Amino acid sequence: GAVVSQHPSWVICKSGTSVKIECRSLDFQATTMFWYRQFPKQSLMLMATSNEGSKATYEQGVEKDKFLINHASLTLSTLTVTSAHPEDSSFYICSARPLEGGGYYYEQYFGPGTRLTVT
Amino acid sequence: DAKTTQPTSMDCAEGRAANLPCNHSTISGNEYVYWYRQIHSQGPQYIIHGLKNNETNEMASLIITEDRKSSTLILPHATLRDTAVYYCIVRVASGGSYIPTFGRGTSLIVHP
Repeated sequence: GAVVSQHPSWVICKSGTSVKIECRSLDFQATTMFWYRQFPKQSLMLMATSNEGSKATYEQGVEKDKFLINHASLTLSTLTVTSAHPEDSSFYICSARPLEGGGYYYEQYFGPGTRLTVT
Repeated sequence: DAKTTQPTSMDCAEGRAANLPCNHSTISGNEYVYWYRQIHSQGPQYIIHGLKNNETNEMASLIITEDRKSSTLILPHATLRDTAVYYCIVRVASGGSYIPTFGRGTSLIVHP
């Protein structure tokens, strides 16, 4: 149990286009999902916290108009990279936190990541 | 969340035990120690967590010092597939508004 999926697993897009990444909790409901970005040989950097039905909370230095987050349901959050540029190329990872009392002890489950390459 | 300090890298021979240390001297009484690992180009994977007692599961053992200021993750019989970056995180166990953040972790290389 407690599986989080991401789609796509990798994507190549041209500079100036937008890319949407989906994060789904497959067998549990998540009120909170987190989006991370990871550059080569670096640690995960938290970008934003997404709460179902409300606006996302962005970390300092992350442009909310560039990285649009929508958490429309208890099992789906999306990250849209708008007007992507080569410097946005990175590994994007989401994680989901189950509802309180959901019975899962670890409380944060990670997706497999999405490799974005902007040419 | 308390800050953690881990060695940048370690190596271990296949079949031997890998002991990964973590210092968390500012840990609070209600904070747990969590360990995750990240294999190259994959999402982090939960390994184990504990509060003050030593813990063991099918993946690893966690040894926490009595003063809780440090801990050691033990992979009893390391395999090549255990090569990964291992992250030690301390945080409250449930609820609240904690922000899960990752440090640099320890890059473990298991060699034949």
